[in-house]
Amino acid sequence: DTGVSQDPRHKITKRGQNVTFRCDPISEHNRLYWYRQTLGQGPEFLTYFQNEAQLEKSRLLSDRFSAERPKGSFSTLEIQRTEQGDSAMYLCASSLMGGGGSYEQYFGPGTRLTVT
Amino acid sequence: QKEVEQDPGPLSVPEGAIVSLNCTYSNSAFQYFMWYRQYSRKGPELLMYTYSSGNKEDGRFTAQVDKSSKYISLFIRDSQPSDSATYLCAPGGPNSGGSNYKLTFGKGTLLTVNP
Repeated sequence: DTGVSQDPRHKITKRGQNVTFRCDPISEHNRLYWYRQTLGQGPEFLTYFQNEAQLEKSRLLSDRFSAERPKGSFSTLEIQRTEQGDSAMYLCASSLMGGGGSYEQYFGPGTRLTVT
Repeated sequence: QKEVEQDPGPLSVPEGAIVSLNCTYSNSAFQYFMWYRQYSRKGPELLMYTYSSGNKEDGRFTAQVDKSSKYISLFIRDSQPSDSATYLCAPGGPNSGGSNYKLTFGKGTLLTVNP
């Protein structure tokens, strides 16, 4: 049983460039979440999917951010026209929706983005 | 007032000590409570979770929730140097956005266990 995987693990980009991150959830999990974590802070919720439907987006997710989960499996998070303030760890998590209601979220290793 | 308050520490204890980590929260609608452990530059690892007030024990770890006072605790017995990490509390449940599935994290408490 493999856990949540994220790619790349590190990304350095220049301000104004676009970047895309990928997340592969635990195989049977139907919910997928994106969070952002800056130094010294806890993760902050960005968005989540149930299967391929994006059901909630945080106000943190500006128009420059877009997330997709086209076939209900892996997800991508794209940031357009990156700014220095986008530098953070981007975390993906997944969970399984069950009859009893399962809320445990399992996180991947994260993608560390540095915008220069 | 932030929804979840957690003392960031740092907290330094000798090996074998009992560690108490705490959070308070303001949203009385939170229904479930997670504790995550995060090593430096890694993703958070789910340590404990509970869906009700009371205690839940797993090995050296005990999670305690008091919904009446909106207080969450994690106790670590016989602490080990390998427990040195940041501990994040993360309640979840209905919030202003209506989502049952968003976790709201505290800032995390940095714990160091000295051999």
